[in-house]
Amino acid sequence: EDKVVQSPLSLVVHEGDTVTLNCSYEVTNFRSLLWYKQEKKAPTFLFMLTSSGIEKKSGRLSSILDKKELFSILNITATQTGDSAIYLCAVYNNNDMRFGAGTRLTVKP
Amino acid sequence: KAGVTQTPRYLIKTRGQQVTLSCSPISGHRSVSWYQQTPGQGLQFLFEYFSETQRNKGNFPGRFSGRQFSNSRSEMNVSTLELGDSALYLCASSFRFNTEAFFGQGTRLTVV
Repeated sequence: EDKVVQSPLSLVVHEGDTVTLNCSYEVTNFRSLLWYKQEKKAPTFLFMLTSSGIEKKSGRLSSILDKKELFSILNITATQTGDSAIYLCAVYNNNDMRFGAGTRLTVKP
Repeated sequence: KAGVTQTPRYLIKTRGQQVTLSCSPISGHRSVSWYQQTPGQGLQFLFEYFSETQRNKGNFPGRFSGRQFSNSRSEMNVSTLELGDSALYLCASSFRFNTEAFFGQGTRLTVV
């Protein structure tokens, strides 16, 4: 059965720390992997990754995909309290988009 | 440009009733996907519509159905509501399936 596993499930850091969130997947007919940030309701799109080894970057956030080892990481540098949220990883196959359970990140002042 | 709009934002229904939720995608987007989010199961894919046709369907009972109109707006219907249908229902809009998907604010459905 297809699955997307995120780790850790929960993480507490202090402002200024750097964090790495992990997403591993076992999905037939993999097409792409996406990262979202969910604060209250609507998940906000962060990145979409289709090619292995190519880093996507936006400000303090970056992400990379390893299609051989079937995982992706999301890095956040110099964390701020506004980064507190649930970070969701999702994988497209031919038929649906499957989400992981999410990582709840709490950034303390 | 305007984002994805879902209506209503909140709904309270009684077991056995039916409900219809609406999603207006971003202008130019032709794919609309629906998801159910619960604390226990997380985000689960319901179905995806593209150009008025259901292209993909998740593992949900037939009580969950949907449709898409020629302007790409989509509706989702749940019949014979059960307590377990209480959830946040999210729709996502994209140019086509397997492209960047943008979510609406969701409809919070409570079944009592």
